[in-house]
Amino acid sequence: AQSVTQPDIHITVSEGASLELRCNYSYGATPYLFWYVQSPGQGLQLLLKYFSGDTLVQGIKGFEAEFKRSQSSFNLRKPSVHWSDAAEYFCAVGSPGFQKLVFGTGTRLLVSP
Amino acid sequence: DTAVSQTPKYLVTQMGNDKSIKCEQNLGHDTMYWYKQDSKKFLKIMFSYNNKELIINETVPNRFSPKSPDKAHLNLHINSLELGDSAVYFCASSPSGGGANEQFFGPGTRLTVL
Repeated sequence: AQSVTQPDIHITVSEGASLELRCNYSYGATPYLFWYVQSPGQGLQLLLKYFSGDTLVQGIKGFEAEFKRSQSSFNLRKPSVHWSDAAEYFCAVGSPGFQKLVFGTGTRLLVSP
Repeated sequence: DTAVSQTPKYLVTQMGNDKSIKCEQNLGHDTMYWYKQDSKKFLKIMFSYNNKELIINETVPNRFSPKSPDKAHLNLHINSLELGDSAVYFCASSPSGGGANEQFFGPGTRLTVL
């Protein structure tokens, strides 16, 4: 069965500092990987996704993520965090043969001045 | 235009009541979902419909009944509401079923059961 682990429940980053949110997945075949962001009081919005090809994927709002098969990881990064990035971030895994996405438990990002 | 819309946005009701949440998507997608997000932000899939056919029915009490009159709509009816049903309910859609596609989420319905 597929599973996703986001080991950090919350992270605080200073505005302008770099960010890395961790995501580890468990799946036997090549996974389809997603990062979503949920701003307060909002629904989830897709930041980026990885299906195949280049393991470094670019997303919206200046985010990127790198797929590392050897580490079963798909960590999300941003070089310089803005106060508006404060939100809940979810990693998800899926595959063509599976009927649903499996979401991690989320990481809350706090941005300090 | 809103891609995935839900009504109402907030729902406050008493225990034992019956309530419905409506969802509509104008993206032309074949698949729609209902998720429940608890107070710890944990997101759990409840149901999935593909072109009006139920394809996922997770372990959800029988008090929850989804209905899809057409592939653009997926409503959720809840009977005999309980305190534990308090949560944010999200509707989502995707071009086709399965875990290979991006899902587009609605803004959520915050249900509070008193």
